[in-house]
Amino acid sequence: SQQGEEDPQALSIQEGENATMNCSYKTSINNLQWYRQNSGRGLVHLILIRSNEREKHSGRLRVTLDTSKKSSSLLITASRAADTASYFCATDRANSKLTFGKGITLSVRP
Amino acid sequence: KAGVTQTPRYLIKTRGQQVTLSCSPISGHRSVSWYQQTPGQGLQFLFEYFSETQRNKGNFPGRFSGRQFSNSRSEMNVSTLELGDSALYLCASRGPLYNEQFFGPGTRLTVL
Repeated sequence: SQQGEEDPQALSIQEGENATMNCSYKTSINNLQWYRQNSGRGLVHLILIRSNEREKHSGRLRVTLDTSKKSSSLLITASRAADTASYFCATDRANSKLTFGKGITLSVRP
Repeated sequence: KAGVTQTPRYLIKTRGQQVTLSCSPISGHRSVSWYQQTPGQGLQFLFEYFSETQRNKGNFPGRFSGRQFSNSRSEMNVSTLELGDSALYLCASRGPLYNEQFFGPGTRLTVL
């Protein structure tokens, strides 16, 4: 079963705009990770946020985690056409088994 | 440092056959996990190996098996292939200090 549920399922924005993607999960977690996948290729790790962290930044990425609401958000600022991809959140309950959501398809129009 | 490598990248088999996929983790990583990705079910965990021992297993039938060698390379085997086994199979390696899992490019298996 899917632990993470991303929202929206698809997002289309103009280059330069910000993209916000949300993820909700059901059980307690050790950490939550965001991944990007281009056209059915391998997953690229973007960022990891631990359960005791509330916000984390990496370049143009900002991730927040609210464990009371069991939700996370990924913000990509100043989006580029190259950001077009599928984005997945994955939860880790400290047993190395990542549980993924169904993913969000992001399209960035030039 | 070289990334996670998977071979072969593409594979076509027929129903009833068996297949073996290979994964070489990042140097120094001892944990290797396998995932199956399909349009219908999304990304699902198959199993994890650490120091040649299966440490965790997902909800897949016994036709799916794996092993890990002393150099941390891992193989997964699927016997008696079914059409529904057509998928992208991804392996990921994890280092000793951090929880990030680094994925390989995947093996695209098509069962005819």
